[in-house]
Amino acid sequence: DVVVTQSPLSLPVTLGQSASISCRSSQSLLYSDGNTYLSWFQQRPGQSPRRLIYRLSNRDSGVPDRFSGSGSGTDFTLKISRVEAEDVGVYYCMQNTHWPPTFGQGTKVEIK
Amino acid sequence: EVQLSESGGGLVQPGGSLRLSCAASGFSFISYAMNWVRQAPGKGLEWVSIITDNGDTIKYADSVKGRFTISRDNSKNTLSLQMNDLRADDTAVYYCAKGDSITWYGFDQWGQGTLVTVSS
Repeated sequence: DVVVTQSPLSLPVTLGQSASISCRSSQSLLYSDGNTYLSWFQQRPGQSPRRLIYRLSNRDSGVPDRFSGSGSGTDFTLKISRVEAEDVGVYYCMQNTHWPPTFGQGTKVEIK
Repeated sequence: EVQLSESGGGLVQPGGSLRLSCAASGFSFISYAMNWVRQAPGKGLEWVSIITDNGDTIKYADSVKGRFTISRDNSKNTLSLQMNDLRADDTAVYYCAKGDSITWYGFDQWGQGTLVTVSS
């Protein structure tokens, strides 16, 4: 299985500042169709996961443009610009270029 | 509005069985693959199983293969997960998650989850 490794696992951030989460995969996530099947999910405390980003850099409907995804091959980043209090939670990256789909361990974002 | 609502969780003894259901509404259920994803208490997310739109492709994680059975009833917009020979490490919140228009594993919508506790 493809191993997906996130860092850091804990990320204290100041309101209004930017935050970046790294996600690395043990194999390239570039698929033969030219797409990179890397998604990002947010799980607020006590809630179900919510998809924020799909296919590397596409924001889901209703997701603020403060969230952006980037990267290539095996290295990926979720950036949160101008962190707000509602951004507190755990963020997961997930790959489904290779079967089975696998998730990173999660990064807990909290306000300093 | 897409809604996914899981039910059927509870406390079961090791070796026991449980059947989870996921009621779907707000979208064309018959057009999408559906998945189960679980989350052990305080832990991360683990994909469990998938069934394609017409049910002709079914896959399982190695950790549940041979013990869990996924199924769907497109006439009732319902997804199910029959769980047999349950173990302590199956304890988790189980979510149903919808595939999207591009990939079976899109997970673009999630239910609220149902808690399964395996303990004597």
